[in-house]
Amino acid sequence: EVKLQQSGDELVRPGASVKMSCKASGYTFTDYAMHWVKQSPGQGLEWIGTIIPLIDTTSYNQKFKGKATLTADKSSNTAYMELSRLTSEDSAVYYCARETGDYFDYWGQGVMVTVSS
Amino acid sequence: DIVMTQAPLSVSVTPGESASISCRSSKSLLHSNGNTYVNWYLQKPGKSPQFLIYRMSNLASGVPDRFSGSGSETDFTLKISKVETEDVGVYYCGHGLEYPYTFGAGTKLELK
Repeated sequence: EVKLQQSGDELVRPGASVKMSCKASGYTFTDYAMHWVKQSPGQGLEWIGTIIPLIDTTSYNQKFKGKATLTADKSSNTAYMELSRLTSEDSAVYYCARETGDYFDYWGQGVMVTVSS
Repeated sequence: DIVMTQAPLSVSVTPGESASISCRSSKSLLHSNGNTYVNWYLQKPGKSPQFLIYRMSNLASGVPDRFSGSGSETDFTLKISKVETEDVGVYYCGHGLEYPYTFGAGTKLELK
């Protein structure tokens, strides 16, 4: 069974950084790209970027360049996203999602990030 | 970036009746290989999005055949026949043609 298990919810101070994880199981981690998607409160879905774990290649939505950094650890089948210089605009739920070709067939449960002093 | 526009923003349906949701893309999603790269997802209340339909008309594994997808190069429709209580949630179209991937704003399906 394919599963994407994300790390827990985060409460962070403005200006700080946060790093979240997405641990994959049930499939060969390096066979699929991993994507990250933002969902602001009461809003729709926004694509942040992707990483191909096999070759550590990343692509980002221009809007999130400098904000998000995607990495992957093949030894632990885990993808990471770090968000830097957090503001209230970064308060949202963040999902990891596995891509099969051109669509997202499995999603993590989401990490809620709250930016507050 | 490709803009995905959904309509309506919400729809209220009597259980057992049908519902249709429209999605329009600002650029043709028909690839030269013959595939049309539009996908549909459902986000049930309090849950992560789940995958319903890929490449315009192909049902994901386990999705009931009450769901169907159709369309052209830029105009797409998700149809749900005989709506059930478990179909409640927000439906999103999204494209997989090129980066950045983008999604529609979502259509909320409620029951009357």
